[in-house]
Amino acid sequence: GDSVTQMEGPVTLSEEAFLTINCTYTATGYPSLFWYVQYPGEGLQLLLKATKADDKGSNKGFEATYRKETTSFHLEKGSVQVSDSAVYFCALSGAIISNFGNEKLTFGTGTRLTIIP
Amino acid sequence: SQTIHQWPATLVQPVGSPLSLECTVEGTSNPNLYWYRQAAGRGLQLLFYSIGIGQISSEVPQNLSASRPQDRQFILSSKKLLLSDSGFYLCAWTPRGTGNTIYFGEGSWLTVV
Repeated sequence: GDSVTQMEGPVTLSEEAFLTINCTYTATGYPSLFWYVQYPGEGLQLLLKATKADDKGSNKGFEATYRKETTSFHLEKGSVQVSDSAVYFCALSGAIISNFGNEKLTFGTGTRLTIIP
Repeated sequence: SQTIHQWPATLVQPVGSPLSLECTVEGTSNPNLYWYRQAAGRGLQLLFYSIGIGQISSEVPQNLSASRPQDRQFILSSKKLLLSDSGFYLCAWTPRGTGNTIYFGEGSWLTVV
């Protein structure tokens, strides 16, 4: 079945450091890929998405490129801020046709990011 | 615009008591609906999803059940809670089709004591 593997945390960086959170996936077909973020005390919200190979999703200075050849969707940011401290989830939208349709989403386990001033 | 609400936001329940978490979506029709759980120190685990009234798919065997009595209503239940049921429960929805953004509710913190 579909699966998402993401970099284990926690990750601690200094402000203005470069961030990479690795994410790789296994899926049949051509899934869409997502990064969700969960700020302290809040629910999840979409950070960015890419729906086909070589697409780049971007938002709030974060970027991720859909790499089909390496089945990866790594999250990057050039200069992190304290306000970026959160848990980040990589996810994919399954492309497998099942008895219940093909819209099921699979999440990675999440990576906790802490930025220190 | 579409909105999703779930309640209650926080609850503390004794072991062996029943549970009912409710979730409703407004501003859309025929959504796909999901219940996820986020246990302490762990990632998101899909518990149930539904593509229509009365159509529920369970992802993991557990002490919980889900029902969809109306198109935009999704209920998570248990007859007898276990300590291991403690966690953060998230209801979510997506439009029909592939590659759609999933929208989450505010979440419900359940502590079983």
